[in-house]
Amino acid sequence: DGGITQSPKYLFRKEGQNVTLSCEQNLNHDAMYWYRQDPGQGLRLIYYSQIVNDFQKGDIAEGYSVSREKKESFPLTVTSAQKNPTAFYLCASSLRTAENTEAFFGQGTRLTVV
Amino acid sequence: QKEVEQNSGPLSVPEGAIASLNCTYSDRGSQSFFWYRQYSGKSPELIMFIYSNGDKEDGRFTAQLNKASQYVSLLIRDSQPSDSATYLCAVRPPGSARQLTFGSGTQLTVLP
Repeated sequence: DGGITQSPKYLFRKEGQNVTLSCEQNLNHDAMYWYRQDPGQGLRLIYYSQIVNDFQKGDIAEGYSVSREKKESFPLTVTSAQKNPTAFYLCASSLRTAENTEAFFGQGTRLTVV
Repeated sequence: QKEVEQNSGPLSVPEGAIASLNCTYSDRGSQSFFWYRQYSGKSPELIMFIYSNGDKEDGRFTAQLNKASQYVSLLIRDSQPSDSATYLCAVRPPGSARQLTFGSGTQLTVLP
């Protein structure tokens, strides 16, 4: 089945620790995105990538980093510089960004600082 | 002013009634509009998209777009308890390769 797979589903981070969230898609989509969702709020864009080896900052990129070495994969690293990382992280993909195409989401990773 | 605004709710309707969800957006040049449904603790799933002024129907769902007034709405007919969720409005900004901008969502509860 085609889709977007995020792992792990739950992740716990200690203070000062970097953690990496995985996102893999087999939809042959060009564009991939990372969003953050806090309780009772909408989705805020962290980073997005339209093609391999290229990505752009979204609205809240500080404290996060990404890579896009393969079309299928777009991992997100939450660094120790992100002071309030506890949130629900959603990865999405779409066929293109410049056209009227919808985004499809993975199942999300819930990150908690302990 | 937020780019995409929705009433946070909660909105409660009885089973079988019509639920009306509204969304306004600030960028007049926006061309693409999407409604996502998000159950508690789950990821958003696409319900409908609309690009042209007017109504678009899909089963019990109708999306309405009025670009002159900069609002888009979602009507759910014959509401069911399984429709209880948060509904997210998303807008694609014009003239850029940016991804969708989301509203904060409206929480809908359908009472049996």
